[in-house]
Formats: sequence, C-alpha cells, structure tokens
Amino acid sequence: SQQGEEDPQALSIQEGENATMNCSYKTSINNLQWYRQNSGRGLVHLILIRSNEREKHSGRLRVTLDTSKKSSSLLITASRAADTASYFCATDAGIQGAQKLVFGQGTRLTINP
Amino acid sequence: NAGVMQNPRHLVRRRGQEARLRCSPMKGHSHVYWYRQLPEEGLKFMVYLQKENIIDESGMPKERFSAEFPKEGPSILRIQQVVRGDSAAYFCASSPGTTTGELFFGEGSRLTVL
Repeated sequence: SQQGEEDPQALSIQEGENATMNCSYKTSINNLQWYRQNSGRGLVHLILIRSNEREKHSGRLRVTLDTSKKSSSLLITASRAADTASYFCATDAGIQGAQKLVFGQGTRLTINP
Repeated sequence: NAGVMQNPRHLVRRRGQEARLRCSPMKGHSHVYWYRQLPEEGLKFMVYLQKENIIDESGMPKERFSAEFPKEGPSILRIQQVVRGDSAAYFCASSPGTTTGELFFGEGSRLTVL
C-alpha cells in the first residue's frame, strides 16, 4: 500500500502567494523527505525532516512533521513561476535497516504569473 | 561531480522485444535504486542494489524484469518481452551510504512500447 499520500492532488495559485501541501503516511518512520519534479525531469531533493523534529526551514521552504497524526506539510512562501512543479513526499519504512523510500502520488503545483 | 547518469533517455520498443536501461550512480555512491513512474503518478519502488548484490527487489515483477549492479560498470534494468503496460519512465537514484537519507536521481529513461 502507498505509504505517503499528498493533498491536494493539484494546486493553482498566483505568483507571490504561499503554497501549502500536505502528506499523510501510515506507518512509523525514521524520516520524511520532500522532493520536487519538474515536468519531464528527475526528482530533486528539497528537505529532510527526522522523526524527532517538528519543524524545519530551508530558504522559502518550511516543513512540519506531526508524528502523532502521521502527517507533514510543505509550505512554499512567496511563490515564483519557477516553483511550478510536482512535489512528492517520501518516507522510509521505519524498520531498522530499511533503505527504500516510498513516494506519494504528488501535488501538482502551478504558479500563475 | 557528474550526477546520476541514465541512458537511453528515450527508448522505443515493439511488443516482445527487450529493453535495457542503464544507470551510472554518482561518484562515490555504491547504492542504486530503480523506480517506475506512470504518467501523472508517483514513483513506485522496484529494486535496491549494492555492488554485485540485490538487497531488496520487493517491487519488481517476478517475471520479465531483472536488475544487476556489477562490480564494474553501470546498473542495468532489463525488461524482457516488453508489453504496452511497461511503457513508463524509469528512474534510477543513488546514495552513498547505508542510512536512509537523500537520494540523488537521474533524469530518467522513458520507455514506449508500441
């Protein structure tokens, strides 16, 4: 079963506005990561938050993690046209020695100029 | 440093043919992962390899699909007797160590089966 599920599936906002995407997962995790994928390209790592962290910042990105609710959110502030992409959350299995990441279906973000 | 290199970027095959996708990890990385992505969907894990070893192939179909990561050379994902349902983008990612952290992705190989 899919570990991470993003919400909404698609989001369209005006340039300069903030964009918030959510991710829910089902099992315990060691960490949760967010990736971006531009159309026709590979995934690019954005940020990693560990299970003992609640919030993390990187530039215009802010990620929160609520392990009690098994959910995370990604906030992009002051959006730009170049932020148009699909955004995926990814979780590890939370099992000692587990290596693979399981990705959600993604949120397609469109920034309108 | 060169990133993860995948080739070919685009591959067209007729039903029943074989497809071979190659992946060279980033320099210094000995862990390789293959994922498949259907249009408008997320990435589905297929297989995780270290040099000369398959660590986790739980996402790979039992038939027609195989993967290897030899001591020398790139990792290969091989699909025999391709069917139309194999049409997808196949992404390779690499990482340097054993702790689950950031994965570095290639640009993908897009397979079209006619």
